[in-house]
Amino acid sequence: QKEVEQNSGPLSVPEGAIASLNCTYSDRGSQSFFWYRQYSGKSPELIMFIYSNGDKEDGRFTAQLNKASQYVSLLIRDSQPSDSATYLCAVGRSNYQLIWGAGTKLIIKP
Amino acid sequence: DTGVSQNPRHKITKRGQNVTFRCDPISEHNRLYWYRQTLGQGPEFLTYFQNEAQLEKSRLLSDRFSAERPKGSFSTLEIQRTEQGDSAMYLCASSRGSGEASTQYFGPGTRLTVL
Repeated sequence: QKEVEQNSGPLSVPEGAIASLNCTYSDRGSQSFFWYRQYSGKSPELIMFIYSNGDKEDGRFTAQLNKASQYVSLLIRDSQPSDSATYLCAVGRSNYQLIWGAGTKLIIKP
Repeated sequence: DTGVSQNPRHKITKRGQNVTFRCDPISEHNRLYWYRQTLGQGPEFLTYFQNEAQLEKSRLLSDRFSAERPKGSFSTLEIQRTEQGDSAMYLCASSRGSGEASTQYFGPGTRLTVL
């Protein structure tokens, strides 16, 4: 079992719909959770982080964390073609090291 | 506040040659990380510095790889006797500290191709 698991996709969503991306992790001691977006050939860029159970909203993005079930999700409302990218989930296992999922490829269809 | 910078952006080399990459972190960030990423995979941790001290190095990392951060500012990653399997994107990231300050910000990466 991988430490951080994501469905590789591709996940295809119509423009304007809600895209839902999921990530599960194995270490119950994980404290910090991050979502990064990566366009093809580019480096990862931070979308948002979450530390506490519940929801965190930032514009069209909402991160949801459920530590009891060991999953974190990212919702993208009003999806745009520019949201088409690979979304990487990263979990903080200690105070510095992040464990990364392999990413979910998201395609927004106009 | 300029972001993380990396040089060169692309490097093509022949097998057996040595290569060196440079990373300049965000100025107030004392933590610096090197990752390697291949197609379809997430970033793979290579090594981590806090100021000038190298605190962690991946056990999977070959002895051909070495990294330095001599004055706690920029860092270099050297790969000796390159192999075709070293072809990848090499990413550098920096962060301010721990807890909520542990968010890592990435540079544009150096794409290495070993022929």
